[in-house]
Amino acid sequence: DVKVTQSSRYLVKRTGEKVFLECVQDMDHENMFWYRQDPGLGLRLIYFSYDVKMKEKGDIPEGYSVSREKKERFSLILESASTNQTSMYLCASSFPGTQETQYFGPGTRLLVL
Amino acid sequence: DQQVKQNSPSLSVQEGRISILNCDYTNSMFDYFLWYKKYPAEGPTFLISISSIKDKNEDGRFTVFLNKSAKHLSLHIVPSQPGDSAVYFCAPHNGGATNKLIFGTGTLLAVQP
Repeated sequence: DVKVTQSSRYLVKRTGEKVFLECVQDMDHENMFWYRQDPGLGLRLIYFSYDVKMKEKGDIPEGYSVSREKKERFSLILESASTNQTSMYLCASSFPGTQETQYFGPGTRLLVL
Repeated sequence: DQQVKQNSPSLSVQEGRISILNCDYTNSMFDYFLWYKKYPAEGPTFLISISSIKDKNEDGRFTVFLNKSAKHLSLHIVPSQPGDSAVYFCAPHNGGATNKLIFGTGTLLAVQP
């Protein structure tokens, strides 16, 4: 069974704080993804990585950065949290290929005050 | 610009009846389509998929129909059960080995007992 875990289920941070969200998968997947989910907007891709130390911007990368030092771990960093980054953050992983399913973690609900 | 639209934000259906969830897309290059189901406070889970070379794919109570000329797909759930109550996302594959998905805005299905 594929397992994708996220470091926190709920986080409360202050504006301006640096925030780290961690994601770990145990299926040796090459691809890893970070999304945010907001009401009425669906899931929007922030960043993805197709290999260790490789990353590409998604649709909404502004205000975020990522790190992938090991294959199983993909971190999302909010350099200076802002209230408009309050959201549900979802990590996913998959093998490469057009018909490979993405497997999601349980999500981190982040509140920025 | 929203490439994938799910125009019904919510749908309410009686237990035992058919649920039909719709999805429209604009990019004719999409060649593989997935549906994900999401319960509150959990990550999305893969439900069913369809390749563009097919017009129907069935898995138990779930059937997905694809109309390429209309750029429209639909998910049918028969019979609907209360446990089907969740948010459903349509997610075409964006092509390429990086396995990027474009998620729709989601439809909240409520199945009434």
